[in-house]
Amino acid sequence: SSELTQDPAVSVALGQTVRITCQGDSLGNYYAGWYQQKPGQAPMLVIYGRNIRPSGIPDRFSGSRSGSTASLTIAGAQAEDEADYYCGSRDSSKNQVIFGGGTKLTVL
Amino acid sequence: QVQLVESGGGVVQPGRSLRLSCAASGFTFNNYAMHWVRQAPGKGLEWVAVISYDGSNKFYSDSVKGRFTLSRDNSKNTLYLQMNSLRPEDTAVYYCAQDGGLRYFDWSFDHWGQGTLVTVSS
Repeated sequence: SSELTQDPAVSVALGQTVRITCQGDSLGNYYAGWYQQKPGQAPMLVIYGRNIRPSGIPDRFSGSRSGSTASLTIAGAQAEDEADYYCGSRDSSKNQVIFGGGTKLTVL
Repeated sequence: QVQLVESGGGVVQPGRSLRLSCAASGFTFNNYAMHWVRQAPGKGLEWVAVISYDGSNKFYSDSVKGRFTLSRDNSKNTLYLQMNSLRPEDTAVYYCAQDGGLRYFDWSFDHWGQGTLVTVSS
């Protein structure tokens, strides 16, 4: 079955820009959703579709796709952005969803 | 606003059964597919299953197919997950989540509940 691959950990200086990537064959056919999860909390959708932010998500969050790689960019990272970030998409060959392993973002 | 409240978790022995519920409010429940996603302690997210807005289509992950069954009662705005033949590896927080599509599968998760913990242990 398909897989989505994410870097386990990424760090960024406060106020700087960071990109979190997600690679997988399914992303050539389907957009990724990006989910933020803080310790002890449920995940929350931050980006979906081509580059759509749900209501209430700051505009410093954006998404993009190039080939089989999806990216989540945080422009001007804030301390409250420190969290685990997961990408997810439909499996390219099954009616299932696959998730990346998650990226732990540290804001220095 | 959208609210999803899971219940039914607990400690259960291997091989036994458990039924989870997810009570929905704040949106037109019978217009949206609903998912279950789980997270083992200290691990990442794992998709479990989805049911269409009208209950006519259900899809499962390979790891739970044949053991778990999804259902929904649109008159009660409630989603259910019947879990049979439970295994220690099913131990996780189980989240219900609203699909992003209006009467179709979008395969994204617009809103999540707070989760309910299922522990499978003897």
